[in-house]
Amino acid sequence: AQSVTQLGSHVSVSEGALVLLRCNYSSSVPPYLFWYVQYPNQGLQLLLKYTTGATLVKGINGFEAEFKKSETSFHLTKPSAHMSDAAEYFCAVSGSGGSNYKLTFGKGTLLTVNP
Amino acid sequence: DADVTQTPRNRITKTGKRIMLECSQTKGHDRMYWYRQDPGLGLRLIYYSFDVKDINKGEISDGYSVSRQAQAKFSLSLESAIPNQTALYFCATSEGTGGVDGYTFGSGTRLTVV
Repeated sequence: AQSVTQLGSHVSVSEGALVLLRCNYSSSVPPYLFWYVQYPNQGLQLLLKYTTGATLVKGINGFEAEFKKSETSFHLTKPSAHMSDAAEYFCAVSGSGGSNYKLTFGKGTLLTVNP
Repeated sequence: DADVTQTPRNRITKTGKRIMLECSQTKGHDRMYWYRQDPGLGLRLIYYSFDVKDINKGEISDGYSVSRQAQAKFSLSLESAIPNQTALYFCATSEGTGGVDGYTFGSGTRLTVV
């Protein structure tokens, strides 16, 4: 079984500041980890993913995340926030391999970017 | 055309009415999913289907049913809608080989039950 905890339902940053959205996971098997972004009135869009290999993964729009197995974390960062980054962000986990592949989502973090 | 299309985009219905939400995909994926999104609760899995003959309940299937009419079509029904089923509903697809590419989502159906 898998679960995801996103720390902070709402994060507010100033334009140009560092963005850090926290995600911790629980998984009984090696995980696949994902970050999705949802802009207002839209569906979810894949931002980045970790499956195997390099633990620092880069995604679209300058975002990146680092898989830390010892900390069971997959935090999302961006060095400099832009107004267009304002959205809701979801971390998700699934078990790797096998046939029982389903994504389990966190409750989401709403990112506000202030001018 | 979108890879995953949901219809309708918005729907208001009355308590007790039967309603169907439809999803079609052009990705050629075997696996399809229905989630509902509620503020502060994230996305919760209602039903999922790994192929046309394989349909499974998710964590919140009570009050819902599904039909997988073809590889490309997966419909969600509310047999007798109730107000706490007011939510944003998403359909998603994934490949059948472990899903390393994650899901492709539709744009959602906003359902209001009055």
